Amino acid sequence: GAGVSQSPSNKVTEKGKDVELRCDPISGHTALYWYRQSLGQGLEFLIYFQGNSAPDKSGLPSDRFSAERTGGSVSTLTIQRTQQEDSAVYLCASSWLGDTQYFGPGTRLTVL
Amino acid sequence: AQKVTQAQTEISVVEKEDVTLDCVYETRDTTYYLFWYKQPPSGELVFLIRRNSFDEQNEISGRYSWNFQKSTSSFNFTITASQVVDSAVYFCALSETHNAGNMLTFGGGTRLMVKP
Repeated sequence: GAGVSQSPSNKVTEKGKDVELRCDPISGHTALYWYRQSLGQGLEFLIYFQGNSAPDKSGLPSDRFSAERTGGSVSTLTIQRTQQEDSAVYLCASSWLGDTQYFGPGTRLTVL
Repeated sequence: AQKVTQAQTEISVVEKEDVTLDCVYETRDTTYYLFWYKQPPSGELVFLIRRNSFDEQNEISGRYSWNFQKSTSSFNFTITASQVVDSAVYFCALSETHNAGNMLTFGGGTRLMVKP
């Protein structure tokens, strides 16, 4: 079946603009995860959803970051007032809760 | 807190050589899972293996094998007779059952370059 998909694959934006990153999980997967991969920080966990709920938002780097998930499926990660340090690859993964996470191809965000 | 260390940042081998990628982890949990993922130049993280903390049996899948030793908190990955297509960054990861939906804590990755 189809894997995890993410859009856009690349996003270039100007400092101070808002961006939305989208993730379509594998059909039927109840859990959805966002990670960020940057040169300085490696791979870091941001947030996860079980169904439409995000029980723990402490991994989000700042209050400029927010995420939501609707219908137990698609998730959107929003970054407001982007800064240059937000430049990274944002990876989404999905799984049955507690099971193996399967990753999408990522969105490469560049903030100029 | 949980931690994963991959001390080898880069390894270069010639095709057909065997290579071992090291992974050492720290956790206070008795129940946890260990993973290896491959990230080829295309960028997508590809799942390779998942091991639970109660299963120390070594595993072999084709040219790939994994050695899990709880006594040394290590989960090493060996590629036998390496091929150019094995060139990628390999990540070891840990998930603890009490943590944020079993979030993954990744090591820093090991870049493997296999030369023809």
